[in-house]
Amino acid sequence: GENVEQHPSTLSVQEGDSAVIKCTYSDSASNYFPWYKQELGKRPQLIIDIRSNVGEKKDQRIAVTLNKTAKHFSLHITETQPEDSAVYFCAASIGRGGADGLTFGKGTHLIIQP
Amino acid sequence: GAGVSQTPSNKVTEKGKYVELRCDPISGHTALYWYRQSLGQGPEFLIYFQGTGAADDSGLPNDRFFAVRPEGSVSTLKIQRTERGDSAVYLCASSRGSVYEQYFGPGTRLTVT
Repeated sequence: GENVEQHPSTLSVQEGDSAVIKCTYSDSASNYFPWYKQELGKRPQLIIDIRSNVGEKKDQRIAVTLNKTAKHFSLHITETQPEDSAVYFCAASIGRGGADGLTFGKGTHLIIQP
Repeated sequence: GAGVSQTPSNKVTEKGKYVELRCDPISGHTALYWYRQSLGQGPEFLIYFQGTGAADDSGLPNDRFFAVRPEGSVSTLKIQRTERGDSAVYLCASSRGSVYEQYFGPGTRLTVT
């Protein structure tokens, strides 16, 4: 089955700097790659996603890039703010004929230093 | 509109007991998923329903775990003969089916003593 690796496990950046989180996946059939943000004790919240027919997607301060050849995708957060502090999870799905279960990475604890 | 809801929010049970966890998906969402999240880990896929049928139950860890969705809306995850290792947060998510975005509920924290 699919295996998703995520790095780093902890990332500390100064407020206003950029943060980059990287993930690799194993199954070349995967074609859907969402990113979730999870605050302590809360539900995972979808922040951005990308499908395999595009290489990059941006939404304000957040961007995701996908390299299908290398089987890796990354989350980029610019101009970080204190409210960006949370655990971020990448995930991958094959999406056979529709939605199916997501395989998640182990998460990155992002700490924004004031 | 209303998001995914789950009940109970917390459940404490003794080893060997039976538990049921409930998920109410977003209205109109045909796809429903169950995940399990242990402390410090990402959610782990358990089972996926498209409508009333389980389209993929490959993530269920063993035959003590079972889930139903009889009318294609509310789903119940059932765990028999609970073990301490079943302690985790059980998350439910729903999506519009052919669209991939999954929206999560707040989870049920299950503690087996």
